Amino acid sequence: SQQGEEDPQALSIQEGENATMNCSYKTSINNLQWYRQNSGRGLVHLILIRSNEREKHSGRLRVTLDTSKKSSSLLITASRAADTASYFCATDARGNQGGKLIFGQGTELSVKP
Amino acid sequence: DGGITQSPKYLFRKEGQNVTLSCEQNLNHDAMYWYRQDPGQGLRLIYYSQIVNDFQKGDIAEGYSVSREKKESFPLTVTSAQKNPTAFYLCASSIIGSGGNEQFFGPGTRLTVL
Repeated sequence: SQQGEEDPQALSIQEGENATMNCSYKTSINNLQWYRQNSGRGLVHLILIRSNEREKHSGRLRVTLDTSKKSSSLLITASRAADTASYFCATDARGNQGGKLIFGQGTELSVKP
Repeated sequence: DGGITQSPKYLFRKEGQNVTLSCEQNLNHDAMYWYRQDPGQGLRLIYYSQIVNDFQKGDIAEGYSVSREKKESFPLTVTSAQKNPTAFYLCASSIIGSGGNEQFFGPGTRLTVL
């Protein structure tokens, strides 16, 4: 079952602009993670935010988590053409076994030079 | 050089044939996972394994089978019972624990049924 819903499905911006992607989920979570996928490749882990955290930074990435609204956002600042990829949120649901994650449908980001 | 590998990169199958996709990791991770990804879609879990000689069905296990005889290896067999097997298959591994369950992914295998 797909827990995460991502918004927008596709986003096109110019280099240097900021990109914001949103993720909503349905159940209580232990943590929420963001991954990046270049076309035809495997996913790469970007950042993990725990349920008791509200904001986290990693380089040009900023992630927020609002557990009351069951939503998260990923902000990429000063975007570059190399940021062009699909971005997925994934949730580790509370009570989950085996380290399973539930992935959203993804946001396809295109950064034009 | 630690990581997770998948082979082959591309695989073609005739209808009615079983095919096996390889997944190997040298990260010493206990857990391994198989996902299916269709064009423009997210990942759907096929099977996962937390420990050697044990595995569980995911959301779309019908038509697939797995084995976990070694910690490093988690091969996936796509059987003839899988009616629409053309897809991109991704294998992942992770540590299970309170430190977080970040998953490490292989490069994927693209399966096409002819």
